[in-house]
Amino acid sequence: EVQLLESGGGLVQPGGSLRLSCAASGFSITNYWMHWVRQIPGKGLEWVSRIRSDGSSTNYADFVKGRFSISRDNAKNTLYLQMNSLRAEDSAIYYCAKFNGNYDGFDIWGQGTRVSVSS
Amino acid sequence: SYELTQPPSVSVSPGQTANLPCSGDTVGSKYVYWYRQKPGQSPALVIYHDTKRPSGIPERFSGSNSGNTATLTITESQAVDEADYYCQAWDSTTAVFGGGTKLTVL
Repeated sequence: EVQLLESGGGLVQPGGSLRLSCAASGFSITNYWMHWVRQIPGKGLEWVSRIRSDGSSTNYADFVKGRFSISRDNAKNTLYLQMNSLRAEDSAIYYCAKFNGNYDGFDIWGQGTRVSVSS
Repeated sequence: SYELTQPPSVSVSPGQTANLPCSGDTVGSKYVYWYRQKPGQSPALVIYHDTKRPSGIPERFSGSNSGNTATLTITESQAVDEADYYCQAWDSTTAVFGGGTKLTVL
């Protein structure tokens, strides 16, 4: 079965750090751009970051630039999001998503991992 | 920064046609994508490149995009279509999502 499984979410204090992981199964992420998208519960979707298939290029939403870092380990078939200097407004469900180059859209999404930033 | 605007809610009677708009400055010059998110589930792609359906999406789902408005159309609406629907476009290297529309079929 083709799927993405996020992990690493949890409760962290403001200013703290978390590292999210997204493990792929049923397919290899090697040839795909991969993305992180977040959603405050009950609210809309918000794109966070993306990384090229070989890891050579990354992009970030302005609200996470300088604080978050996306990376990948194709050998482990895993995507990561290092989140530093976390703020209360970063509290959300974080989804990883596979970008389909034929569709130019996100065709596989993980189930999400919840991040709560609170003292 | 680029913005996409969607009405918070749309209601439709079973069997009728639902039109879900997504407005943005000259959005017709961009490709628009539509995602469906059912309660407690992750989003799923239902329309790409304005009008195309991924495999497995029923023909009842269609899209259009012109000028400042893109539209997701669901014909013969069913209870199973109740969900939040998000439009999305690319602004350079950034994916931009609309705020989402909750579709109610009643």
